[in-house]
Amino acid sequence: GAGVSQSPSNKVTEKGKDVELRCDPISGHTALYWYRQSLGQGLEFLIYFQGNSAPDKSGLPSDRFSAERTGGSVSTLTIQRTQQEDSAVYLCASSSGARGTEQFFGPGTRLTVL
Amino acid sequence: KNQVEQSPQSLIILEGKNCTLQCNYTVSPFSNLRWYKQDTGRGPVSLTIMTFSENTKSNGRYTATLDADTKQSSLHITASQLSDSASYICVVSPASGTYKYIFGTGTRLKVLA
Repeated sequence: GAGVSQSPSNKVTEKGKDVELRCDPISGHTALYWYRQSLGQGLEFLIYFQGNSAPDKSGLPSDRFSAERTGGSVSTLTIQRTQQEDSAVYLCASSSGARGTEQFFGPGTRLTVL
Repeated sequence: KNQVEQSPQSLIILEGKNCTLQCNYTVSPFSNLRWYKQDTGRGPVSLTIMTFSENTKSNGRYTATLDADTKQSSLHITASQLSDSASYICVVSPASGTYKYIFGTGTRLKVLA
């Protein structure tokens, strides 16, 4: 596609429910990143995928958070047993792969946990 | 304490006026510094990128400056337009080849007609 796409654009859920957020990176980009943007905070790194290498999960805030990337393209971020503090905008980015190359961001998914 | 701090937190200016946004960082070692523009409901879009050896970089009406000695950067917007209303985020890459950028909290700019 022309850019990084994410779905849904907005998600409202009840506390305790599981949610799945989807990211479609730019075609041909081997690197994919997930970030969380909370109100008044800078983007917080969550997880990084690069090709077939093991992902860097060091930014995931708890074991309720997980992500996978199937076939080296589409990625899904899953949050289990959501809490109110999980409310934020979740941004996905992709890059051509070489470390330090520019990251292109999707529009984000705004998650609201009631 | 954030390693990348931006000021002001928010700013309101009239269309046609100039403004300057500030970014101070403590990240070391330092590889490059980017300024991103984030429109409401959209993802950040890169405006400029500077390595530690560059002092200034322009992109249309946007001019970024960098002083690696004082660890300060600024983004100057000339002849502002309504479409400049957005958040501007300063992002530092701490070392060559790293993907773990460090993001500032942004300056929210509002341009009024």
